[in-house]
Amino acid sequence: ETGVTQTPRHLVMGMTNKKSLKCEQHLGHNAMYWYKQSAKKPLELMFVYNFKEQTENNSVPSRFSPECPNSSHLFLHLHTLQPEDSALYLCASSARDTPGYTFGSGTRLTVV
Amino acid sequence: DQQVKQNSPSLSVQEGRISILNCDYTNSMFDYFLWYKKYPAEGPTFLISISSIKDKNEDGRFTVFLNKSAKHLSLHIVPSQPGDSAVYFCAATSNDYKLSFGAGTTVTVRA
Repeated sequence: ETGVTQTPRHLVMGMTNKKSLKCEQHLGHNAMYWYKQSAKKPLELMFVYNFKEQTENNSVPSRFSPECPNSSHLFLHLHTLQPEDSALYLCASSARDTPGYTFGSGTRLTVV
Repeated sequence: DQQVKQNSPSLSVQEGRISILNCDYTNSMFDYFLWYKKYPAEGPTFLISISSIKDKNEDGRFTVFLNKSAKHLSLHIVPSQPGDSAVYFCAATSNDYKLSFGAGTTVTVRA
């Protein structure tokens, strides 16, 4: 148990589906992040939330829609995705004034 | 623009020998560096870190060296064990604590 829980672990969805990824942290952290990891590429930062407020959107297409209802929960809503969006989506959290993130186990997304 | 670079995508080493992973960075504002380890189908886990005020940090079999003038850091694993087979990510941050990651190096430890 890492303290950051992501569900589901695996997701297969069609290009017209709507689905959501969930992330929950039990560490008392104030910042939460969504990262995308594609094969042979660096971790790509997608969104950053600090105290529930979105502080960064890294030019992510609108078919990805984040939601952060409180400091412990983060969602990524998915709509009309494309096959190239297939990747491992990682959630992370961090504490204020402390470098380093705690990552969840990720959601392996396959778009068919 | 990728500010943290791991130029070796893979490394194969015999069990018991030393593994040396390299990382270069371009942003002179980075003052804290971390290494993460990642197994397949799992999220990265923190391994070891170093502040820019130091040039070496050791934790058991893992040692990180920092050369600020060259903007280079390395991770040494000795002796390498089969359980060390994983992807290793180098990361760096400045005072905003946002991490920039390298592309990762896949380490395979041969028995």
